[in-house]
Amino acid sequence: EAQVTQNPRYLITVTGKKLTVTCSQNMNHEYMSWYRQDPGLGLRQIYYSMNVEVTDKGDVPEGYKVSRKEKRNFPLILESPSPNQTSLYFCASRLKTGVNTGELFFGEGSRLTVL
Amino acid sequence: RKEVEQDPGPFNVPEGATVAFNCTYSNSASQSFFWYRQDCRKEPKLLMSVYSSGNEDGRFTAQLNRASQYISLLIRDSKLSDSATYLCVVSTPPGTYKYIFGTGTRLKVLA
Repeated sequence: EAQVTQNPRYLITVTGKKLTVTCSQNMNHEYMSWYRQDPGLGLRQIYYSMNVEVTDKGDVPEGYKVSRKEKRNFPLILESPSPNQTSLYFCASRLKTGVNTGELFFGEGSRLTVL
Repeated sequence: RKEVEQDPGPFNVPEGATVAFNCTYSNSASQSFFWYRQDCRKEPKLLMSVYSSGNEDGRFTAQLNRASQYISLLIRDSKLSDSATYLCVVSTPPGTYKYIFGTGTRLKVLA
């Protein structure tokens, strides 16, 4: 089954304790992206990757890191989480086609609470 | 001004009603347009892409007006299962692969 898998789905942590949210897709998609969703603000892009070893900042990259060592995986790293990073996080992927009309496939989301 | 703006609703409509949502975008160079559906606390899923000529998928019709920079979604014969949040999504010119999401319009279909 084609899917994007995120882990963990739910996490409560404390300020400053490094954490990683994993994202894996089995559709051989070149493009992967991380979003956070907050009430009243919609989904905002954190980082995206066009292909292996190619990453770039989205609209709200501060406090986050990513890596793309393999095509299928795109982990999101919070080196020193703070309470303002409490949010619902989504990973998404799509094919990198010549025409920018591709559907984004989302993971089920990871709800993170930083105390 | 937000890059993509939607009326947050909620729109409460009876079963069988026709309901329409609008969405405006600010970047005239925007290339692609979509409507996504998001159920409570779940991941967004593509409902339909929006083409310049307008397009229809069953009870759903999407329209694009580039001159006025808005897109619309019309739902006919509303079902209880249509209750969800509808996200307007706009992508910027090729090469950036950036998707801008509206904050969503909540629809509740009442029995």
